[in-house]
Amino acid sequence: AQTVTQSQPEMSVQEAETVTLSCTYDTSENNYYLFWYKQPPSRQMILVIRQEAYKQQNATENRFSVNFQKAAKSFSLKISDSQLGDTAMYFCAPPSGIIFGKGTRLHILP
Amino acid sequence: DGGITQSPKYLFRKEGQNVTLSCEQNLNHDAMYWYRQDPGQGLRLIYYSQIVNDFQKGDIAEGYSVSREKKESFPLTVTSAQKNPTAFYLCASSIDEQGNRYGYTFGSGTRLTVV
Repeated sequence: AQTVTQSQPEMSVQEAETVTLSCTYDTSENNYYLFWYKQPPSRQMILVIRQEAYKQQNATENRFSVNFQKAAKSFSLKISDSQLGDTAMYFCAPPSGIIFGKGTRLHILP
Repeated sequence: DGGITQSPKYLFRKEGQNVTLSCEQNLNHDAMYWYRQDPGQGLRLIYYSQIVNDFQKGDIAEGYSVSREKKESFPLTVTSAQKNPTAFYLCASSIDEQGNRYGYTFGSGTRLTVV
């Protein structure tokens, strides 16, 4: 079974700082996709960013970027210039994204 | 606009009752999923369906049942056999198998409380 581990249950950073959320996964596949989802206090799950494993370049979506290390099976999410609206639970989804990590609760402090 | 609609937003169940949570999508997605989320917890997979009239159990299927008679609809029934049903339930869909390539679209969830 494919697994994913998010080692930081909870984090807090000051507004405008940069924060990195970690995720490691296990897979035997070579070509796959990885995802980060955000769940704000409204509880609506939103797809934040998607990484294609066969691409060398790390995915970027505005202030969100990933650090994808395929050999290490690591897929961290970096949020730059954090904003109060980034306060949420963040979930990493592994290849075959049916099983999610336990999530990291991120607090952005004013 | 296309999306997933879950209803009701809040649901109260008495002990021993069955209740059904609705999930409808107009995205023309083949695959649909049900997850349970407990306070401070991640998402746990209950059931998923990749095609009409077919579905598979997830990690915590006991006490739940589903049907997939139409592509657009994937209702979840919480039966009286589910001993601790109070939780937040999320429905999702994906255009591809297990959301491998394009990820999931989620509904806004149903909060179920046993009274």
